Amino acid sequence: DSGVTQTPKHLITATGQRVTLRCSPRSGDLSVYWYQQSLDQGLQFLIQYYNGEERAKGNILERFSAQQFPDLHSELNLSSLELGDSALYFCASSEGQATDTQYFGPGTRLTVL
Amino acid sequence: AQKITQTQPGMFVQEKEAVTLDCTYDTSDPSYGLFWYKQPSSGEMIFLIYQGSYDQQNATEGRYSLNFQKARKSANLVISASQLGDSAMYFCAMREVNRDDKIIFGKGTRLHILP
Repeated sequence: DSGVTQTPKHLITATGQRVTLRCSPRSGDLSVYWYQQSLDQGLQFLIQYYNGEERAKGNILERFSAQQFPDLHSELNLSSLELGDSALYFCASSEGQATDTQYFGPGTRLTVL
Repeated sequence: AQKITQTQPGMFVQEKEAVTLDCTYDTSDPSYGLFWYKQPSSGEMIFLIYQGSYDQQNATEGRYSLNFQKARKSANLVISASQLGDSAMYFCAMREVNRDDKIIFGKGTRLHILP
């Protein structure tokens, strides 16, 4: 158990819908990262927050957004969902220094029908 | 150009044998970190081992060790005395300190341990 929690574990929804994925980092970790893992694209970094502020952006679509709240939990919002958004979405956390290890949550498996 | 290359899409190894999973990387940043993660069929990503670019010694964590050859830009994972539970997908990853905090992952190697 990495100490990072993600809810829900599974999510099935229809095209065009909007969903919110939630992540709670390990106790004491200030940084939260979101990744998408799909069969064709592999593991892709989406976005990072550090202590409530956006720190780095990767291959995140404009339909996707995220935020980190004062209690350091984070939410990833996916809207206007398409079939291709079906993937495993991971949240990871680290203490916040560049050399810190990132510990991953169990992931949320999103299926868009 | 790919930043992280894992040339072995799949490997079959007999139980109790040692196994080496290859990883080469590409960076011009002098300061970087290299990571290995394991992803079993259940899907979670499990951190295994970390090597910093300035570390003088090869990292070791139990049965895992990292064969770090900086000049060759290679960071192979060695698993000693393999066990059936080692069957999983293994990802090599890199973070370049002077860029941002994201981790770049390789495409992974699927390891099968045979009884």
